[in-house]
Amino acid sequence: EAQVTQNPRYLITVTGKKLTVTCSQNMNHEYMSWYRQDPGLGLRQIYYSMNVEVTDKGDVPEGYKVSRKEKRNFPLILESPSPNQTSLYFCASTPGGGTGSYEQYFGPGTRLTVT
Amino acid sequence: GDSVTQMEGPVTLSEEAFLTINCTYTATGYPSLFWYVQYPGEGLQLLLKATKADDKGSNKGFEATYRKETTSFHLEKGSVQVSDSAVYFCALRDDKIIFGKGTRLHILP
Repeated sequence: EAQVTQNPRYLITVTGKKLTVTCSQNMNHEYMSWYRQDPGLGLRQIYYSMNVEVTDKGDVPEGYKVSRKEKRNFPLILESPSPNQTSLYFCASTPGGGTGSYEQYFGPGTRLTVT
Repeated sequence: GDSVTQMEGPVTLSEEAFLTINCTYTATGYPSLFWYVQYPGEGLQLLLKATKADDKGSNKGFEATYRKETTSFHLEKGSVQVSDSAVYFCALRDDKIIFGKGTRLHILP
């Protein structure tokens, strides 16, 4: 089944404790991205990657890191999480390098709480 | 830069009512346009899309027409059901992928 998977689905952590949210897709998509969803703010892009070893900042990159060593995986790293990073996070992938008419495929989301 | 503006919610309707959720965009190029739906506790999924002017996307009774002259892509459904309760996002894809802020829809039985 074609899908985007994220782990963990739920995470409660404390300020400053490094964490990684994994994202994997099995559709051989070039483009992957991370979003956070907050009430009243909609979806905001954190980072995106047009292909392996190519990553770029989205609208809200502060406090986050990503890597794209393999085409299928795009982990999101919070080196020192803070309470303002409490949010619902989505990973997404799509064919092509960013342009084109293809839709994005979203993971099920990771709800992160930082205390 | 490119942007997407959609009507703020929440929108509350009775079952079988007619639905319109407005979406307008600004873009320098010729974007593809999308509507995504997010059911409670789930990720976003594509509802419909249109890739060029005057195209109509449709799915599950929902429709939207790509109107270049008014830069709009309004979502419509003739008779909503309780199961349509969700958050709806309008989006465009040009050299970037941009989402609107989402519109929460409540359908009352």
